[in-house]
Amino acid sequence: AQRVTQPEKLLSVFKGAPVELKCNYSYSGSPELFWYVQYSRQRLQLLLRHISRESIKGFTADLNKGETSFHLKKPFAQEEDSAMYYCAPPTQGGSEKLVFGKGTKLTVNP
Amino acid sequence: EADIYQTPRYLVIGTGKKITLECSQTMGHDKMYWYQQDPGMELHLIHYSYGVNSTEKGDLSSESTVSRIRTEHFPLTLESARPSHTSQYLCASSGAPATEAFFGQGTRLTVV
Repeated sequence: AQRVTQPEKLLSVFKGAPVELKCNYSYSGSPELFWYVQYSRQRLQLLLRHISRESIKGFTADLNKGETSFHLKKPFAQEEDSAMYYCAPPTQGGSEKLVFGKGTKLTVNP
Repeated sequence: EADIYQTPRYLVIGTGKKITLECSQTMGHDKMYWYQQDPGMELHLIHYSYGVNSTEKGDLSSESTVSRIRTEHFPLTLESARPSHTSQYLCASSGAPATEAFFGQGTRLTVV
C-alpha cells in the first residue's frame, strides 16, 4: 500500500514568514503525490498535485526522490493560509484504499 | 452540476437511535470512501467501495455499515448511535486511478 507521513501535527508561523509543511512517502515506483487543504467550514479539496508542477495560491511542492519527500512550501505565508493540510498518494485502481497523511494544522499569526 | 453531496450537514440524535448518513455523487465515479474526522485531526478511513455491491472496511474499526447498491449512492448506517460516535463524517469519491479524490461537505454527528 502507498503510505505517506506528515511528521508535524501543528505548525505556527507569522504572516510574511516562509512556511514548509513536510510530507514523506514510503513506496516504490513512480510516485504521484497530492496536497489537499481544508479551510475552516469548507470541504476538503485538492490544493496541488505533483505531476502538474504548478503553483497554487503561492504554494509549490517539489518531489525529492532521494529524500522520498514532497514538502509543501510558500515563501510568504498569509493569514488566509491557516488551514489543515493533508498529503496523500494518488487514488488507486481496483480494491486499493486511499489513506491520507495525518495532517498538519497550519496557523498563520498576524 | 457534477458534485458529491452529503446529507444531513448536521445531526443531533439521542443514544440508541438508528441513523443513516447519505452520500451521493453525480460524477460517475466507481470508488467511494467514508472517513471519520474529529476537528483538526487526521482522516480515518472507515469504509470504501470500488463498485456496485463491493464494500471494504478501512483502517479504523467502525460499528457503522455501508452499502453500494447504486454507483452514485453510498450511505452509511449506525444501527444504535452512541456518544462515542460523535464526530464528523466525510464522504469522498474518485474516478480513474492516479487522480484526485473529491469530498462532500461532511456530516457533523452529535449523539447525546
